Amino acid sequence: DADVTQTPRNRITKTGKRIMLECSQTKGHDRMYWYRQDPGLGLRLIYYSFDVKDINKGEISDGYSVSRQAQAKFSLSLESAIPNQTALYFCATSDSSGGQAYGYTFGSGTRLTVV
Amino acid sequence: RKEVEQDPGPFNVPEGATVAFNCTYSNSASQSFFWYRQDCRKEPKLLMSVYSSGNEDGRFTAQLNRASQYISLLIRDSKLSDSATYLCVVNWNTDKLIFGTGTRLQVFP
Repeated sequence: DADVTQTPRNRITKTGKRIMLECSQTKGHDRMYWYRQDPGLGLRLIYYSFDVKDINKGEISDGYSVSRQAQAKFSLSLESAIPNQTALYFCATSDSSGGQAYGYTFGSGTRLTVV
Repeated sequence: RKEVEQDPGPFNVPEGATVAFNCTYSNSASQSFFWYRQDCRKEPKLLMSVYSSGNEDGRFTAQLNRASQYISLLIRDSKLSDSATYLCVVNWNTDKLIFGTGTRLQVFP
């Protein structure tokens, strides 16, 4: 099994619908992140969490919300999806004990299309 | 100025060639530096960390120049399988990483 698992892998949804993307990890890391990737814009941080009680906005949090249900689970919600939220979404984890020295581990991504 | 800047490429090189990418960063307080590799429609994967003294991993060599605020990645003896996008990554405020938009490498036979 993958260390960081994202579900679903692909999703097509209609404008205005609520959708949740889920992420779970078996690495035992305390820090989790949600990014979106768009062509030419690279990876942009949506939200991040350093533990279950700590949630922080990233650079593009508008239109999104998150929930850290447990150390191993971090979900991203689009309350009312719009077409410009069509993107590739990645969850990532890191271990604070090593600071940022060891980088992030990414899930395989969720390709979301809003029509 | 962007926080992390990379030439988007593409760099088209023949097999066996040596190719180098540079990346500049704006935060002089950054402490951690990485190169990630990303294949088309796949997740980024850590290629190597970049240390102050420079480091080498097989055909890959990474260098850091703090004075000029850039890091580099050198790939020797390029393989077809090296074709990918290479992301320059820098830590920010010690809390999180900032990703460059990537440099695309295409190795041809």
